[in-house]
Amino acid sequence: AQTVTQSQPEMSVQEAETVTLSCTYDTSENNYYLFWYKQPPSRQMILVIRQEAYKQQNATENRFSVNFQKAAKSFSLKISDSQLGDTAMYFCAFMMYSGGGADGLTFGKGTHLIIQP
Amino acid sequence: DTGVSQNPRHKITKRGQNVTFRCDPISEHNRLYWYRQTLGQGPEFLTYFQNEAQLEKSRLLSDRFSAERPKGSFSTLEIQRTEQGDSAMYLCASSSRDRVYDGYTFGSGTRLTVV
Repeated sequence: AQTVTQSQPEMSVQEAETVTLSCTYDTSENNYYLFWYKQPPSRQMILVIRQEAYKQQNATENRFSVNFQKAAKSFSLKISDSQLGDTAMYFCAFMMYSGGGADGLTFGKGTHLIIQP
Repeated sequence: DTGVSQNPRHKITKRGQNVTFRCDPISEHNRLYWYRQTLGQGPEFLTYFQNEAQLEKSRLLSDRFSAERPKGSFSTLEIQRTEQGDSAMYLCASSSRDRVYDGYTFGSGTRLTVV
């Protein structure tokens, strides 16, 4: 079974600063996908960024980028120029490639990110 | 398309009562997933459908939990004889089978409180 660990329950930074959220995972699979989801207070979970394990290049989406270290099984999220609207719970998630995604997403416990004005 | 819709948003029920939640996925998505999220935890996978077929249900938490997707469109999740430990957010998500690795689209969830 796969496990996802987010070791930072809560983080707080000033607006416009850069923040990095950490995520490690454990799997014996070689092909898989990793995701970061954002869950604002009382709102739906939305996909922030996604990484295919077979790609060495780190994914980037505007102010969001990842540092994917496959050997270390690490998948951190960097948010640049943080904004008040980035305040949310952030979840790291894993999906196996085998089985056509039948095992669904495995989530970590989340990191509560607070952006201070 | 208005995204994934879940109803009701909130449900308060007395212990022992049955509850049913509804999820309307994105219309062109043939996969539908149910997750449970308790306070301070990430979502926990319960079950999923491909069209009307329930392809994974071994992770439903007990035999009090059941789900249906009778015509391959909306889905319902029923909890019978609710217990206080069932209090949680129940999330629905959908995806296209051909693009499952792109990630899911989630609904806003149904928050269940068992008193």
